[in-house]
Amino acid sequence: SQKIEQNSEALNIQEGKTATLTCNYTNYSPAYLQWYRQDPGRGPVFLLLIRENEKEKRKERLKVTFDTTLKQSLFHITASQPADSATYLCALVNFGNEKLTFGTGTRLTIIP
Amino acid sequence: DTEVTQTPKHLVMGMTNKKSLKCEQHMGHRAMYWYKQKAKKPPELMFVYSYEKLSINESVPSRFSPECPNSSLLNLHLHALQPEDSALYLCASSQVQGAETYEQYFGPGTRLTVT
Repeated sequence: SQKIEQNSEALNIQEGKTATLTCNYTNYSPAYLQWYRQDPGRGPVFLLLIRENEKEKRKERLKVTFDTTLKQSLFHITASQPADSATYLCALVNFGNEKLTFGTGTRLTIIP
Repeated sequence: DTEVTQTPKHLVMGMTNKKSLKCEQHMGHRAMYWYKQKAKKPPELMFVYSYEKLSINESVPSRFSPECPNSSLLNLHLHALQPEDSALYLCASSQVQGAETYEQYFGPGTRLTVT
């Protein structure tokens, strides 16, 4: 069966450190993978997109990697701040299937 | 304007009621989506409209009826819902369905409670 799993349901990181979130998928052939942030009671907000032929993408303090051999994406927030506390969702679109499917999510808390 | 708006913010309805959720965007996007999100779970796709036509229905029960009156508006009509339908209903839009730049813009959601 198809699965998109994010390694931790919850992750606590000390302020200033790098937070690393993991997204693993099974039985998908993604055309691209996206990361979203969701705050409580709000809709997800798009952060980054990475295509299947790209290894790494950066945006300010954010970095995403994509390893189609390992079937895994890593999402890094450097110099983390309490304002980065939120739930982070990976999502992918399969080749030939235009639906966006979300992973299970990781609730990140940055501790001052 | 990169905003997707949804009304109402909260809705409480009985199992015999009929109500509608509304969604609007003015970004010129031609794809619009309905998602359902239960507590501590990811959003789950319900419907996709592409150029005002229903493109994907994820086997959603008929008590949920989507409508896309024009390229800016998306409605979700609700009738004879069950308590397990209580959830956050999210609307989203993107430039087109299946485009290379596939980011979706989400609204704040409607918190629905069925009593």
